[in-house]
Amino acid sequence: SQTIHQWPATLVQPVGSPLSLECTVEGTSNPNLYWYRQAAGRGLQLLFYSVGIGQISSEVPQNLSASRPQDRQFILSSKKLLLSDSGFYLCAWSFSSGRVGELFFGEGSRLTVL
Amino acid sequence: AQTVTQSQPEMSVQEAETVTLSCTYDTSENNYYLFWYKQPPSRQMILVIRQEAYKQQNATENRFSVNFQKAAKSFSLKISDSQLGDTAMYFCAFMNNNDMRFGAGTRLTVKP
Repeated sequence: SQTIHQWPATLVQPVGSPLSLECTVEGTSNPNLYWYRQAAGRGLQLLFYSVGIGQISSEVPQNLSASRPQDRQFILSSKKLLLSDSGFYLCAWSFSSGRVGELFFGEGSRLTVL
Repeated sequence: AQTVTQSQPEMSVQEAETVTLSCTYDTSENNYYLFWYKQPPSRQMILVIRQEAYKQQNATENRFSVNFQKAAKSFSLKISDSQLGDTAMYFCAFMNNNDMRFGAGTRLTVKP
């Protein structure tokens, strides 16, 4: 069966510090991968998605970036965090074919920027 | 860009009653997919129901059904015989070419 792991679960960082959130998927190959941000009281904002190694589509670049160094690894990064980067970050994956639209979400990473 | 709108930030329903959550979307595409996702308190988001735009028949999954009105770009979710475990945030979502967009969500509370 497939599983998704996302870490760290919680993170408190000062403004201007770097960020690295990591997500890995097991039990499948060539998944589509997504990073979303869920701000308090708001919906999910698509940040990045990837359909293959090295292929990243950016929706809200700002000061965030994403990388996919391996087939089942998706990393969200920032060189300098802003207060507005606080939020709940969700990694998700889907099959690249069949079962269209069924996203499988990680447990999320809560980031607080002080 | 596609947008998804959920106009009901919060709703409540008595246990065993029926509730309908609204969703509208905007797109120029003809082929796409629509979804309802559920996010229970402190738990992972899961798929509730899926609708292919090319299908006229409304999707159903046990107590969950949708009313898909393609011309009106409307996609509502009906929950019948509501249960306490249905308490959650519900997100409407639109997908086209691997690009999945979510609405702001509706917080549903089922009251005993």
